[in-house]
Amino acid sequence: ELKVEQNPLFLSMQEGKNYTIYCNYSTTSDRLYWYRQDPGKSLESLFVLLSNGAVKQEGRLMASLDTKARLSTLHITAAVHDLSATYFCAVDKGSSNYQLIWGAGTKLIIKP
Amino acid sequence: EPEVTQTPSHQVTQMGQEVILRCVPISNHLYFYWYRQILGQKVEFLVSFYNNEISEKSEIFDDQFSVERPDGSNFTLKIRSTKLEDSAMYFCASSEETSGYNEQFFGPGTRLTVL
Repeated sequence: ELKVEQNPLFLSMQEGKNYTIYCNYSTTSDRLYWYRQDPGKSLESLFVLLSNGAVKQEGRLMASLDTKARLSTLHITAAVHDLSATYFCAVDKGSSNYQLIWGAGTKLIIKP
Repeated sequence: EPEVTQTPSHQVTQMGQEVILRCVPISNHLYFYWYRQILGQKVEFLVSFYNNEISEKSEIFDDQFSVERPDGSNFTLKIRSTKLEDSAMYFCASSEETSGYNEQFFGPGTRLTVL
């Protein structure tokens, strides 16, 4: 059974600091997705990582994928309050219908 | 920009009643999904739908659940006899087949409250 684990599950940090969220998964997959969810809102696609060594950056967020280690990271640089949200990683199960298996989410609070 | 829409935004129902949650996926997308998220918890896959039939379903998607694409635009989730534990946020998502990967786009969700 494919499992996806995120850590930490909760992170409170000051503006201006850097931090990394980790996403481990249990079976081979080369397709990993990061989503953002604001409280009471829907899920917004942030990054699609499709191969070993893939790195994508958008503003203060950078995501990477190491398929050999079965690990993806989401790095936050010089955090700002607007990045406060819950971040989910999801792994493509690899079946023909592309079912996604989700991590539990990391609730990120950035204090001014 | 195209987006997935869902109605209603909030549905309150009595235990044992039937509810239908509606979704309009992005028009050129071929894959459709329903997920649920109990408050504060992880996103759980319910079912995927492709080519007018269910392609995969989870253990949660038991006989009380059904999905339908009644016309060319709508995609519905029916819960026949709601239980208290069905209270959750239900998200519809859609995706197009793009070079072998599956970026799913989510609707705003329907909050279902079963009393």
